Amino acid sequence: DGGITQSPKYLFRKEGQNVTLSCEQNLNHDAMYWYRQDPGQGLRLIYYSQIVNDFQKGDIAEGYSVSREKKESFPLTVTSAQKNPTAFYLCASSIRVNGANVLTFGAGSRLTVL
Amino acid sequence: AQSVTQPDIHITVSEGASLELRCNYSYGATPYLFWYVQSPGQGLQLLLKYFSGDTLVQGIKGFEAEFKRSQSSFNLRKPSVHWSDAAEYFCAVGGSNTGNQFYFGTGTSLTVIP
Repeated sequence: DGGITQSPKYLFRKEGQNVTLSCEQNLNHDAMYWYRQDPGQGLRLIYYSQIVNDFQKGDIAEGYSVSREKKESFPLTVTSAQKNPTAFYLCASSIRVNGANVLTFGAGSRLTVL
Repeated sequence: AQSVTQPDIHITVSEGASLELRCNYSYGATPYLFWYVQSPGQGLQLLLKYFSGDTLVQGIKGFEAEFKRSQSSFNLRKPSVHWSDAAEYFCAVGGSNTGNQFYFGTGTSLTVIP
């Protein structure tokens, strides 16, 4: 079945360490996204990519980095510059349907900084 | 600027009762509107979407939503709630003017009392 796979599901990090969250999709979607979710704040866009080798910053890109070397993969690195990285991270992809994009989400990765 | 407001942070209903979750949006053109549901620790699942045409749209799990342009609203309804409907619900807006970007509300948490 087609879908989005995020790994790991749970991740613990010490302060000062970089960590990378994996996101792989086999839906053949062109666009991919990373969102951060905190209680009571909904989803906030970190980065998105519309095509391979191209990506744009979202509303809260500081302290994060991404790459898009393959259509299927869009890893997110949480760097030590991110002041408060403990959160639930959601990867998504989209396809255009009747002129509009529809998001499909992965199951999420929970990052905890110790 | 595009934005989505979900006025109710938390709603409690009895099993079998009807449900309405409110969503108001701010958007400069014809919006594409979505409702997603999220179970604890999981990703978001698409319930329904509105692109154009009939303003009453049907979704999965017995949900429906009505687009009212004059009120800038897209409220989600269900005639009879089941205990399994307890979850977090997110309204979102996207469209041709947003490119590939989506804007989410802060969510409404639904509790169902047996």
